Amino acid sequence: KAGVTQTPRYLIKTRGQQVTLSCSPISGHRSVSWYQQTPGQGLQFLFEYFSETQRNKGNFPGRFSGRQFSNSRSEMNVSTLELGDSALYLCASSRGESVDEQYFGPGTRLTVT
Amino acid sequence: AQSVTQLDSQVPVFEEAPVELRCNYSSSVSVYLFWYVQYPNQGLQLLLKYLSGSTLVKGINGFEAEFNKSQTSFHLRKPSVHISDTAEYFCAVSRYNQGGKLIFGQGTELSVKP
Repeated sequence: KAGVTQTPRYLIKTRGQQVTLSCSPISGHRSVSWYQQTPGQGLQFLFEYFSETQRNKGNFPGRFSGRQFSNSRSEMNVSTLELGDSALYLCASSRGESVDEQYFGPGTRLTVT
Repeated sequence: AQSVTQLDSQVPVFEEAPVELRCNYSSSVSVYLFWYVQYPNQGLQLLLKYLSGSTLVKGINGFEAEFNKSQTSFHLRKPSVHISDTAEYFCAVSRYNQGGKLIFGQGTELSVKP
């Protein structure tokens, strides 16, 4: 069974630009969650999508948004990039049950200059 | 709201020695507990999880953890570590019906020396 894939793996953007990250979950998984990992703040939950609907949301500004497609693939968008958005963005998928194990992808390393 | 505190940011240990990585959590409701490991330039891999039942949980790679409700702790242990265990370890919690939302501790960097 293929694991969670994220594209691209590395990205360099300029402050003020926007970026879209992609996540393909494990086949059969209906939930996709996104996390931001930085040395200062650690791992922080961004949002979760289940069956194309946002089910849970973290405490991030509206510049961070996401969506999920009917095949469960998910995209995350960050608009008006700031230097502080430089981070490793991790996506995780699960079956979507009330308590479930999440499987993480390798992450997308975003650098904002 | 839930929170997780990992009491040690760095733990150096010699190969074949035992290790304990400490995790305390805070929550007003029942939670589910997890330990993840992250190797350099990789995503997170689940080591073990506590959902219910026996408070002693065994995971992969010889790791185990004990859930202590009275002390709100979920410490990770391994009786004998290897060089390959060098990595960052994260404790996390989630709530019922919020399985897709993990709250993580700050991480503990385990460094195994020969």
